[in-house]
Amino acid sequence: RKEVEQDPGPFNVPEGATVAFNCTYSNSASQSFFWYRQDCRKEPKLLMSVYSSGNEDGRFTAQLNRASQYISLLIRDSKLSDSATYLCVVKGVSGNMLTFGGGTRLMVKP
Amino acid sequence: DAGVIQSPRHEVTEMGQEVTLRCKPISGHDYLFWYRQTMMRGLELLIYFNNNVPIDDSGMPEDRFSAKMPNASFSTLKIQPSEPRDSAVYFCASSLVFTDPYEQYFGPGTRLTVT
Repeated sequence: RKEVEQDPGPFNVPEGATVAFNCTYSNSASQSFFWYRQDCRKEPKLLMSVYSSGNEDGRFTAQLNRASQYISLLIRDSKLSDSATYLCVVKGVSGNMLTFGGGTRLMVKP
Repeated sequence: DAGVIQSPRHEVTEMGQEVTLRCKPISGHDYLFWYRQTMMRGLELLIYFNNNVPIDDSGMPEDRFSAKMPNASFSTLKIQPSEPRDSAVYFCASSLVFTDPYEQYFGPGTRLTVT
């Protein structure tokens, strides 16, 4: 079983739609959680952290359920520019190692 | 401020040849990471350094792979001899020991093709 699992997609949605991605992680001792965004043929970049209480950044909302070891990302009012791969990322107890999920590809169509 | 710099951006080589990938982390960062990304396996951590010292190399696939960090501003990942299955995008990333939120900054990657 992979440490961080995501549905690879692709998710094809029209502009303006709301879309949600989910992710599960296997290590209950994981401490920190993130969503990274990766555009086609580019490097991954931090999109946002995920906090236990849930957090919002503009059109993006991230939530964490430690009991179920489940992380989600909600994108409201999708834009064409949101088309990318979204990587679920987990940080362990010690060190600064990150474990990346396989990514979920989003395609927003006009 | 310059980000993480990697060279070359693209490398095409023949099986059996030695390949050296280079990385310059962001100035002042304590940690340096080497990742490999393929369609099949996603983004995998190969090795990471803290203050130029290798901390965890358990992700290095085999003895053909080696990495060094002779100083705080330079690291290399070497593959000798290269094989077609090494074809992938290799990313270098750097970070500070602690930030809130914690963030790794990735370079643009080196796209390696071994024929």
